[in-house]
Amino acid sequence: GENVEQHPSTLSVQEGDSAVIKCTYSDSASNYFPWYKQELGKRPQLIIDIRSNVGEKKDQRIAVTLNKTAKHFSLHITETQPEDSAVYFCAASRGNTPLVFGKGTRLSVIA
Amino acid sequence: DGGITQSPKYLFRKEGQNVTLSCEQNLNHDAMYWYRQDPGQGLRLIYYSQIVNDFQKGDIAEGYSVSREKKESFPLTVTSAQKNPTAFYLCASSIRGRLAGNNEQFFGPGTRLTVL
Repeated sequence: GENVEQHPSTLSVQEGDSAVIKCTYSDSASNYFPWYKQELGKRPQLIIDIRSNVGEKKDQRIAVTLNKTAKHFSLHITETQPEDSAVYFCAASRGNTPLVFGKGTRLSVIA
Repeated sequence: DGGITQSPKYLFRKEGQNVTLSCEQNLNHDAMYWYRQDPGQGLRLIYYSQIVNDFQKGDIAEGYSVSREKKESFPLTVTSAQKNPTAFYLCASSIRGRLAGNNEQFFGPGTRLTVL
């Protein structure tokens, strides 16, 4: 089955700097790659997703890139703000199979 | 994500007791999921259901049971056979589309279970 590895497990950046979180997946048939943000004690919320027919997607300060050949995808957050501090999860799936999640990255934005 | 609810928010149970966690959605989603979240472990799939009266085991199904008698409801029972049940439990739902990749999941607010 699918296996998703996520790095780093923790990340600290200065406010205004960029943050990058990387994930690799094992199943070459996976075609859907969402990113979720989870604040302390809250539910995960989808912030951006990408499908396998697209290489990059942007939404204001966040972007996701996908390299199907290398089987990895990344989340980029620019101009980080304190409210970006949270745990971020990547995931992968194919067709209607359940999402397989990475173990998460705890991002701390230092003011 | 306001259309998926879980209750209770906090639950305490004595060792050896079964307990049932509620999950309800009014999003008309076909698929529903249960995840367990432990610190540093991410979200691990317990059970999922893609259609009423059918469900499949996830990666960590041992000690858990589910039912899917109605499209809106997917309760999870944590049995006494689950050796380490203290965790944060998240329910999710999604549209089960015919197109590949149509898998956006919406999460409920979670139930924090503590075994005393």
